[in-house]
Amino acid sequence: GNSVTQMEGPVTLSEEAFLTINCTYTATGYPSLFWYVQYPGEGLQLLLKATKADDKGSNKGFEATYRKETTSFHLEKGSVQVSDSAVYFCALSQGGYQKVTFGTGTKLQVIP
Amino acid sequence: NAGVTQTPKFQVLKTGQSMTLQCAQDMNHNSMYWYRQDPGMGLRLIYYSASEGTTDKGEVPNGYNVSRLNKREFSLRLESAAPSQTSVYFCASSEGGGQVGKTQYFGPGTRLLVL
Repeated sequence: GNSVTQMEGPVTLSEEAFLTINCTYTATGYPSLFWYVQYPGEGLQLLLKATKADDKGSNKGFEATYRKETTSFHLEKGSVQVSDSAVYFCALSQGGYQKVTFGTGTKLQVIP
Repeated sequence: NAGVTQTPKFQVLKTGQSMTLQCAQDMNHNSMYWYRQDPGMGLRLIYYSASEGTTDKGEVPNGYNVSRLNKREFSLRLESAAPSQTSVYFCASSEGGGQVGKTQYFGPGTRLLVL
């Protein structure tokens, strides 16, 4: 079956540091890939997505590129802010009815 | 535009009690989902409804039932709560359909504690 593996956290960075959160997936064919973010006490919300190989999703300074050859969708941001502190989930969807497989989440803490 | 709403926000149950978690969306989405979130395990799909009138089991359906009351509402019922069902429950919705890459929109969650 499908699976998503992302780096374990927590990740602690100083403000303005560079962020990378690794995500790899296992799926047949060409799934759609997502990054969702969960702020404390809230539900998940879409951060960015990519629906085909070599697509780059971007939003709020975050980027991720769909790499079919390495089955990866790593999340990057050039300069993190305290307000980016949250839990980040990598996910994929495939097949009908948009069933989504989530990774276990990576907690990011940004300190001033 | 409220998006996805869930009630209650927090609930404490004793083992064996029953309860229903309510979910509603105002985005005219076809598909709705129930997930549970546990530490270190991400989100796991309990049940989903691809469209009004249909429901299907997800990854962890045991101990739960669902009802797609209409296009807006999708409820989750615990008939006899167990401590293993202590979790945070999220409802989500999406446009659905056969096209890939649809975004899911999540509610704020219900924290359930079963003693």
